[in-house]
Amino acid sequence: QVQLVESGGGVVQPGRSLRLSCAASGFTFSSYGIHWVRQAPGKGLEWVAVISYDGSDKYYADSVKGRFTISRDNSKNTLYLQMNSLRAEDTAVYYCAKDALGLLYFQHWGQGTLVTVSS
Amino acid sequence: QSALTQPASVSGSPGQSITISCTGTSSDVGGYNYVSWYQQHPGRAPKVMIYDVSNRPLGVSNRFSGSKSGNTASLTISGLQAEDEADYYCSSYTSSSTRVFGGGTKLTVL
Repeated sequence: QVQLVESGGGVVQPGRSLRLSCAASGFTFSSYGIHWVRQAPGKGLEWVAVISYDGSDKYYADSVKGRFTISRDNSKNTLYLQMNSLRAEDTAVYYCAKDALGLLYFQHWGQGTLVTVSS
Repeated sequence: QSALTQPASVSGSPGQSITISCTGTSSDVGGYNYVSWYQQHPGRAPKVMIYDVSNRPLGVSNRFSGSKSGNTASLTISGLQAEDEADYYCSSYTSSSTRVFGGGTKLTVL
């Protein structure tokens, strides 16, 4: 079955960096676009970024553009999110989510990893 | 990249029907038939309930249905059950090749 397992979350000081990972299994990773979606404590879902199946196309939310970088390693079935210049408002649970093949919706989600930006 | 507009809360009694609206613009909801709806229980990851405006994934109850008119999409849940109590989010593809979510609606089953 499809599994997406996020890791790399933790407590980090404002201005510092953190890299999240999302390990995928149970499907042909290299065939799917994958997203990062975040949810601040007690708040709604916010789309963060997407990367195409082959890594050639990347798009970002305005709130993270220039600070976050999405990437993937199809040989390792792993998605990444490099987060630089972190701010308190980046505090959230970060989910990776897989598109359905050829469709534009989040078919499968991981369980999320919590990032807390605090001094 | 403004969030789609949803009511903060809706409520209904068991067996009743409720509808949640999701309003965007011609650059997202109104411009594409790529609206999806997600159910999220506390402490859990979201789960897709409707995709492409009105399609149900395998395993989702036919009590859930979706529609769209202009820049507003809607999710209807009929025959409300206690287990339907959750937060619901709409999402749309956008003209910038990004995605956008609604602010979320808390459904209370009375």
